[in-house]
Amino acid sequence: NAGVTQTPKFQVLKTGQSMTLQCAQDMNHNSMYWYRQDPGMGLRLIYYSASEGTTDKGEVPNGYNVSRLNKREFSLRLESAAPSQTSVYFCASSERLLGFSNTEAFFGQGTRLTVV
Amino acid sequence: GDSVTQMEGPVTLSEEAFLTINCTYTATGYPSLFWYVQYPGEGLQLLLKATKADDKGSNKGFEATYRKETTSFHLEKGSVQVSDSAVYFCALTKPSGYSTLTFGKGTMLLVSP
Repeated sequence: NAGVTQTPKFQVLKTGQSMTLQCAQDMNHNSMYWYRQDPGMGLRLIYYSASEGTTDKGEVPNGYNVSRLNKREFSLRLESAAPSQTSVYFCASSERLLGFSNTEAFFGQGTRLTVV
Repeated sequence: GDSVTQMEGPVTLSEEAFLTINCTYTATGYPSLFWYVQYPGEGLQLLLKATKADDKGSNKGFEATYRKETTSFHLEKGSVQVSDSAVYFCALTKPSGYSTLTFGKGTMLLVSP
């Protein structure tokens, strides 16, 4: 059981370039999330998808777009990368939104992105 | 808004020492509380959780008790191992239809033999 799979694991971009981070889960979860992790900042929510066909902004959505392609896949796109977007990006999924009791989030291994 | 505050690290211990990592929270209502662990090069894994006051979460020798009176959820382990070296995150969610995880900044634990 692979769980949550993110690709790529590492990426270097030049300022202004675009790229899409891919995330797929095989647990039949309804909800998916994108977080970024920066030193001394913990994890901050970028976007989330409560269920297939819906997406909503999180705490730090500026400069990003997302697509919930189907129930399994949730991609994060940087249209014009900036050095401030250098970070480690984590995708996560849960059976339903985390406000419900006994709901656990499962995380991917992360994508380390550097924008130069 | 909701927030989680953890003690700053790194916390450096010798094997078999007692571990405490402090976590306090600010939130309205009755949040659920979590500890996640991130081993080097990996994603986050749920370590333990507690969903109501006075609940104790436990896993792999780690424990944390939900203290509403002090808004705290401190992580403890009686005897740490080198393999416990990781970053530990305290987090909360609100018991509502929409909620996501609010994380603390993380505390790095380094255990030496």
